[in-house]
Amino acid sequence: ETGVTQTPRHLVMGMTNKKSLKCEQHLGHNAMYWYKQSAKKPLELMFVYSLEERVENNSVPSRFSPECPNSSHLFLHLHTLQPEDSALYLCASSQDWTYYEQYFGPGTRLTVT
Amino acid sequence: GQQLNQSPQSMFIQEGEDVSMNCTSSSIFNTWLWYKQDPGEGPVLLIALYKAGELTSNGRLTAQFGITRKDSFLNISASIPSDVGIYFCAGQNLGGSEKLVFGKGTKLTVNP
Repeated sequence: ETGVTQTPRHLVMGMTNKKSLKCEQHLGHNAMYWYKQSAKKPLELMFVYSLEERVENNSVPSRFSPECPNSSHLFLHLHTLQPEDSALYLCASSQDWTYYEQYFGPGTRLTVT
Repeated sequence: GQQLNQSPQSMFIQEGEDVSMNCTSSSIFNTWLWYKQDPGEGPVLLIALYKAGELTSNGRLTAQFGITRKDSFLNISASIPSDVGIYFCAGQNLGGSEKLVFGKGTKLTVNP
């Protein structure tokens, strides 16, 4: 595997479900990011991790819970989501969190029913 | 918060034509990035710019960091069908937070 991978690619969940999104980067980077992409809106930064420490939480509701067990893996745990949370969730990585060239994974298309 | 104005929102062109799109900001930026996103995929980094006036090429793509530091341009020459997708600009503004700010994208359609 190369680059940034994300699983699953598609996820449909009910509002009472609990699910997790997984991201893995094979680039040797130290920073990882979660973004939300909705139609007609710019990419919204959710969380930033640098060397497994969260350095930014962009006023994201607590129903989204990130986890970074090591610098290669990033998770986004989801629980009691709302239909408006349906979107493409993108993971990205960069050399470090002050280095602006970010490399994205293919995303997880999330639908909340 | 900081916003980037990206234009046009969409373009419909014939194969072989040249394309130009731009991104503007109300404040000074010290980094500009251009990404392309294919349907069902994540954005792919095309070009990164770090100096005012910088002109950088990547194959048929050329991007420029505006001399005022408030804008950037992306040009695609001799377009081909696989150029179809959404092109995003992103930047980091001088004196702002460390995070990147993204434009809303330009959707490009190329007719064979």
